[in-house]
Amino acid sequence: RKEVEQDPGPFNVPEGATVAFNCTYSNSASQSFFWYRQDCRKEPKLLMSVYSSGNEDGRFTAQLNRASQYISLLIRDSKLSDSATYLCVVPGGYQKVTFGTGTKLQVIP
Amino acid sequence: DVKVTQSSRYLVKRTGEKVFLECVQDMDHENMFWYRQDPGLGLRLIYFSYDVKMKEKGDIPEGYSVSREKKERFSLILESASTNQTSMYLCASSLNVATGGNEQFFGPGTRLTVL
Repeated sequence: RKEVEQDPGPFNVPEGATVAFNCTYSNSASQSFFWYRQDCRKEPKLLMSVYSSGNEDGRFTAQLNRASQYISLLIRDSKLSDSATYLCVVPGGYQKVTFGTGTKLQVIP
Repeated sequence: DVKVTQSSRYLVKRTGEKVFLECVQDMDHENMFWYRQDPGLGLRLIYFSYDVKMKEKGDIPEGYSVSREKKERFSLILESASTNQTSMYLCASSLNVATGGNEQFFGPGTRLTVL
């Protein structure tokens, strides 16, 4: 099993839709997780951290399921500006993290 | 405002040339990283450094070396550039995990083309 796996998409959704991405990880000892957003030809930027109790920030909700070893990102009321690639990030060893290959989201008018 | 800067946004080099990519961060972060990003392969770690003069190989170090003489600066060196090193190179920094790190801050990237 890869350290971290994501569905590459693309996910094409209409404006206003709700969309969810999952990301599975292999290291059961992992403690801290993140979702990053990367716009086309730009650098990745932190979207949100993922806590054991879940984390909500406006239209975005991140959840952690330790038993099944996956994290999820839910986006409600999708906007055109949400179109981007979403990278799942898990701990990857001493001081390091491992990035997933990303899930591409395209929000359509 | 936190900032990671990279010396060039675009670079074109010839096969066999020695290439230097510079990265500077102003956040007093202990950790610095070099990644390359290719379509379908995601971000792959080349090298990282957790302190001045300290370096660790990442997943794909072959053909690369690094230098960290000062805390704020981390250089990536391609000793003899080859066409398969054409890629987007991203530098990142983070605090030491023990002091609340793991979130990585990225520079804008250098798109390197080797002809």
